[in-house]
Amino acid sequence: NAGVTQTPKFQVLKTGQSMTLQCAQDMNHNSMYWYRQDPGMGLRLIYYSASEGTTDKGEVPNGYNVSRLNKREFSLRLESAAPSQTSVYFCASSEPWGLQPQHFGDGTRLSIL
Amino acid sequence: DAKTTQPPSMDCAEGRAANLPCNHSTISGNEYVYWYRQIHSQGPQYIIHGLKNNETNEMASLIITEDRKSSTLILPHATLRDTAVYYCIVRPSNNTDKLIFGTGTRLQVFP
Repeated sequence: NAGVTQTPKFQVLKTGQSMTLQCAQDMNHNSMYWYRQDPGMGLRLIYYSASEGTTDKGEVPNGYNVSRLNKREFSLRLESAAPSQTSVYFCASSEPWGLQPQHFGDGTRLSIL
Repeated sequence: DAKTTQPPSMDCAEGRAANLPCNHSTISGNEYVYWYRQIHSQGPQYIIHGLKNNETNEMASLIITEDRKSSTLILPHATLRDTAVYYCIVRPSNNTDKLIFGTGTRLQVFP
């Protein structure tokens, strides 16, 4: 059981390039999330999707777009990468009802030069 | 959402109990206390959560004070693999979406 899988694990981009980070979960969860984590800081929510076909902004959505492709997959796109977007990106999933915990992938480490 | 305060770092000897405190003095009646940890280079891992009663699972115990203004996560027999950053998060029962992570406590377990 893979849980939450993120690809790629590492990526280096030049300023202005575009990139899509992929996330897939095999736990049949309805809700999925994208976070970023900067050095020495906790995670900050970028976007989330409560169910297939819906997406909502989180705390730091500027510069990003998301697509909930189907129930399993939730992608994060940087249209024109900036050095300030250098970070580790985590995807998570959970059931939306009650107080179910979120399950996280192992992250994508993105550097923008 | 209520704010949490945790010490930035703690040490614990291997085999001893690790007691990680969290202050959440502004917690409201419908807010739960969650604990996650993040081992270096990995995604956060759920540990435990509770409302007002003490909770225990295979990973840890959660002790919440009677006034709910603070809590303690207890790892009963810490191992080197428990070295991680531990996050205490307060989450409303009607908010199924957002986890607000602070900077957590970096626990170092030493031999």
